[in-house]
Amino acid sequence: GAVVSQHPSRVICKSGTSVKIECRSLDFQATTMFWYRQFPKQSLMLMATSNEGSKATYEQGVEKDKFLINHASLTLSTLTVTSAHPEDSSFYICSASGDRHQETQYFGPGTRLLVL
Amino acid sequence: QQQVKQSPQSLIVQKGGIPIINCAYENTAFDYFPWYQQFPGKGPALLIAIRPDVSEKKEGRFTISFNKSAKQFSLHIMDSQPGDSATYFCAASPGYSNASKIIFGSGTRLSIQP
Repeated sequence: GAVVSQHPSRVICKSGTSVKIECRSLDFQATTMFWYRQFPKQSLMLMATSNEGSKATYEQGVEKDKFLINHASLTLSTLTVTSAHPEDSSFYICSASGDRHQETQYFGPGTRLLVL
Repeated sequence: QQQVKQSPQSLIVQKGGIPIINCAYENTAFDYFPWYQQFPGKGPALLIAIRPDVSEKKEGRFTISFNKSAKQFSLHIMDSQPGDSATYFCAASPGYSNASKIIFGSGTRLSIQP
């Protein structure tokens, strides 16, 4: 149990376009989902925390208008990178936790974004 | 206060050896300490986790040792194999709800030589 999927696994886009990344909990209800960003050979940096049906809470320094997060259901959260630029190229990873798993976060496989 | 310090940054061990990765924390409110394993290009996978009410936890070849008074914990991998080569992250969390943030260590790149 506790499987989290992400789609797409990798995406290449042109500068100025928007990209949407989906995160799904496949076998449990995720009351809370987290979005992370990871640069090569570095640790995970938390971008935001989202609870189902409410606005996401963004970490300091993360632009909420650039990284739009929606958590419309207990199994789906989306991250939209708006007007992407090359500096947004990174590895984006979501995680999910729910009532069944309390404090444990289960991570998705990640999405590699490359902005040209 | 919120940091989790992890060492070493990288580690090379011969097959069958016992790599040890150490972590330390300051915030006494942390109540849940998971370890994650990450392979290149993949998301982190939960390996094993411990709470401070026990000093040791074993799951297969993986063992966490926990020293509450020193605010330190470590991961030992017994009979290490080349397939264990990955980046390992220790982490800490208040653990009181499913919305609790996890604070990650900086990671240890482990290489097991055949």
